[in-house]
Amino acid sequence: EIVLTQSPGTLSLSPGERATLSCRASQSVSSSRLAWYQQKPGQPPRLLIYDASTRATGIPDRFSGSGSGTDFTLTISSLEPEDFAVYYCHQYGSSPPEFTFGPGTKVDIK
Amino acid sequence: QVQLVQSGTEVKKPGASVKVSCKASGYTFTASYIHWVRQAPGQGLEWMGRINPNSGGTDYAQKFQGRVTVTRDTSISTAYMELTSLTSDDTAVYYCARDPRYGDYDFWGQGTLVTVSS
Repeated sequence: EIVLTQSPGTLSLSPGERATLSCRASQSVSSSRLAWYQQKPGQPPRLLIYDASTRATGIPDRFSGSGSGTDFTLTISSLEPEDFAVYYCHQYGSSPPEFTFGPGTKVDIK
Repeated sequence: QVQLVQSGTEVKKPGASVKVSCKASGYTFTASYIHWVRQAPGQGLEWMGRINPNSGGTDYAQKFQGRVTVTRDTSISTAYMELTSLTSDDTAVYYCARDPRYGDYDFWGQGTLVTVSS
């Protein structure tokens, strides 16, 4: 099983600041099959990025993803008030499928 | 528009089973895998398994092998997740999600809270 580690656990920032979230895998993620989700309390997760760097439909361009192999990054270029939430990375490259999620990074208001 | 609508809240006793449904609409049901993901209170996301609605083929996380069964009824565009031998550790919100490509999820159900308590 590929274990995903996210850092930091909590990121305290102000609106307008840049957020950089890290996701590290215990082994290489095949074909960069890594996604990022945003989750707010009481809601299901929302897909932001898939295949490491492709923005999902309707996602603002302030969200960007990068990385390959074992190291991936989600960047929010300038935080809007609605961006304060928990962010999860998710790998779906393992075969046979044993898909895993990271523990999450909470982005809260400083 | 794509929608996944799940069945309602369940309360079960330890040792019982639960079956959660996920009704899809707004797209061709057999064209995309459906996955099941759970989230214990205050915790992260955990992948449980998936089904190919076209073939009925399934894959399950090792942790749930032998205890989870995912099925589908194509006539009503609905997927099901059954979990047996419930313990308090299975108390969680259970989500179904559509996989449009290779394993990411573009649409999610609203979640079904399953509480296991004596």
